[in-house]
Amino acid sequence: QITLKESGPTLLKPTQTLTLTCTFSGFSLRTSGAGVGWIRQPPGKALEWLALIYWHDDKRYSPSLKSRLTITKDTSKNQVVLTMTNVDPVDTATYYCAQHSYTSSWYGWFDPWGQGTLVTVSS
Amino acid sequence: QSALTQPASVSGSPGQSITISCTGTSSDVGSYKYVSWYQQYPGKAPKLMIYDVSNRPSGVSNRFSGSKSGNTASLTISGLQAEDEADYYCNSYTSAYAYVFGTGTKVTVL
Repeated sequence: QITLKESGPTLLKPTQTLTLTCTFSGFSLRTSGAGVGWIRQPPGKALEWLALIYWHDDKRYSPSLKSRLTITKDTSKNQVVLTMTNVDPVDTATYYCAQHSYTSSWYGWFDPWGQGTLVTVSS
Repeated sequence: QSALTQPASVSGSPGQSITISCTGTSSDVGSYKYVSWYQQYPGKAPKLMIYDVSNRPSGVSNRFSGSKSGNTASLTISGLQAEDEADYYCNSYTSAYAYVFGTGTKVTVL
């Protein structure tokens, strides 16, 4: 059974750096083809894709947020970390991590997802 | 990168079929078969319903089907049931080596 769980701060002040950790089980990022992505959802709004890291450390970012995001992995701990610099109240959202899978090439889908963690940015 | 366009809401009576559209561009939906659909209940994490345009994961009802024509992907729910009332999001790979989600559609069972 594959599970993922997000952890991190619940409240941040504007301009601070957000660090979120995704701890997963049931698969390994040492395995060829494995990947973990981050997605967020502001309250009452749509999903927004943020970043993806592959088993071989290839990283992809949302073009609109690329300058503020960094995704890394710790394969020994089965963790993926997302950092977002210079947060603003508009970054208030539930942040999800999810396993990335594909059938051919490197592009596919996100499943399963973690339960999500709500991050509020407010002064 | 603009979000894919979905209708804000779609409704239908039990037993009917409904279709949710997801319109992108030639830089995403129109160029790739990597379109997926997600179902989300209030306060819950999204669940994968369709991947690679038209494939159903194990455990997903065969009442859910996906297709694509040009820059528009579609999710059809046949034999609509009360439990299908939820938000639905499409997602596509893009030429920017990234992914983009749709604006989301609220499905109401009348």
